[in-house]
Amino acid sequence: QKEVEQDPGPLSVPEGAIVSLNCTYSNSAFQYFMWYRQYSRKGPELLMYTYSSGNKEDGRFTAQVDKSSKYISLFIRDSQPSDSATYLCAMRDSGGYQKVTFGIGTKLQVIP
Amino acid sequence: EAGVTQFPSHSVIEKGQTVTLRCDPISGHDNLYWYRRVMGKEIKFLLHFVKESKQDESGMPNNRFLAERTGGTYSTLKVQPAELEDSGVYFCASSVRTVSSSSTDTQYFGPGTRLTVL
Repeated sequence: QKEVEQDPGPLSVPEGAIVSLNCTYSNSAFQYFMWYRQYSRKGPELLMYTYSSGNKEDGRFTAQVDKSSKYISLFIRDSQPSDSATYLCAMRDSGGYQKVTFGIGTKLQVIP
Repeated sequence: EAGVTQFPSHSVIEKGQTVTLRCDPISGHDNLYWYRRVMGKEIKFLLHFVKESKQDESGMPNNRFLAERTGGTYSTLKVQPAELEDSGVYFCASSVRTVSSSSTDTQYFGPGTRLTVL
């Protein structure tokens, strides 16, 4: 069983739509939850970071973590064509090591 | 400020050959990480340097992989001899400093080196 499950998509939405991306995980030791955005031929770029359960909002982006369900989400409001990318969920535990465990990534296309 | 740079961007070699990948982290970043993405799979952690010391190398697949970070600046990842299953994109990331286990530093990723083993 994978530690992190993420639907690879692809997901196509019209411009202006609300996008919902999510991941489930099995390791209860994960405490830090991240969303990375990756454009084609580029490296992942940190988009959002949340510690433990709760919500975090940054502009059009909202990250939610439900540790009781081992479920994390990323919402994108008023999606734009420039949001077209692969979105990777990622997480790590609270130990001294900083290694990050990634989901496979969901490919999103926002159609003008 | 320059980001994380990786060289080469793409390498094509034959099975059994040796390849060395290079990563230059952001200046002043003590932490340096190597990750790999095999086609159709998740990005997987390989190892973590703090300055020149290996902090965690639990993700290194086998002893054909050798990572170094002499002087705590740039890092190299050598694969010798390369096998077909080593093909993939190798990412390097760096972060400023780990203050404690209860915090997390933003890891900045390079564009990756695409390795193809024929």
